[in-house]
Amino acid sequence: QKEVEQNSGPLSVPEGAIASLNCTYSDRGSQSFFWYRQYSGKSPELIMSIYSNGDKEDGRFTAQLNKASQYVSLLIRDSQPSDSATYLCAVNSLSDYKLSFGAGTTVTVRA
Amino acid sequence: DTAVSQTPKYLVTQMGNDKSIKCEQNLGHDTMYWYKQDSKKFLKIMFSYNNKELIINETVPNRFSPKSPDKAHLNLHINSLELGDSAVYFCASSQRYNEQFFGPGTRLTVL
Repeated sequence: QKEVEQNSGPLSVPEGAIASLNCTYSDRGSQSFFWYRQYSGKSPELIMSIYSNGDKEDGRFTAQLNKASQYVSLLIRDSQPSDSATYLCAVNSLSDYKLSFGAGTTVTVRA
Repeated sequence: DTAVSQTPKYLVTQMGNDKSIKCEQNLGHDTMYWYKQDSKKFLKIMFSYNNKELIINETVPNRFSPKSPDKAHLNLHINSLELGDSAVYFCASSQRYNEQFFGPGTRLTVL
């Protein structure tokens, strides 16, 4: 059973600041890591995927992966009110169709 | 073009009724999933089909029966609905075990 833990929220940041979201996972065989954003009343939307140790940047989002520490994070730079949502960390193995999700961290960006 | 679509969007019904939710994807993916998101927002896998073959069947009451007539469709039939079945049900699809893309969700309310 893969377990995925996310830092408990809610996380409140001022507009323009960096929001930092953390996720740890229990299965050392995990190979694929995803961040989803879910607005209230909407479906999860994939915003980042990362497979190798290090950083991956996409616009204002940076995902960081450290497999040795079993840790993946998401940084949101220059946070905007439109970034206010719940962010879900998801993990699976290369040969496993079953995504394990964390409970999510709710982010509120204050204008 | 909607990538993953579900019908209906809302479903309100009485306890004991039988209902179905339909899902279609036009992404050409070979794998489809059903997830349940409860009131605490935790997203949990229920079923998955790969090329019409059932590959994930979590501990779900046998009142829930998925059916995949082809790779692009996955339906969920629920018999004898109970109060505890009230939740949002998401369909998702992926190409093998890569990124999963979610449908808009079906909010089921059992009265």
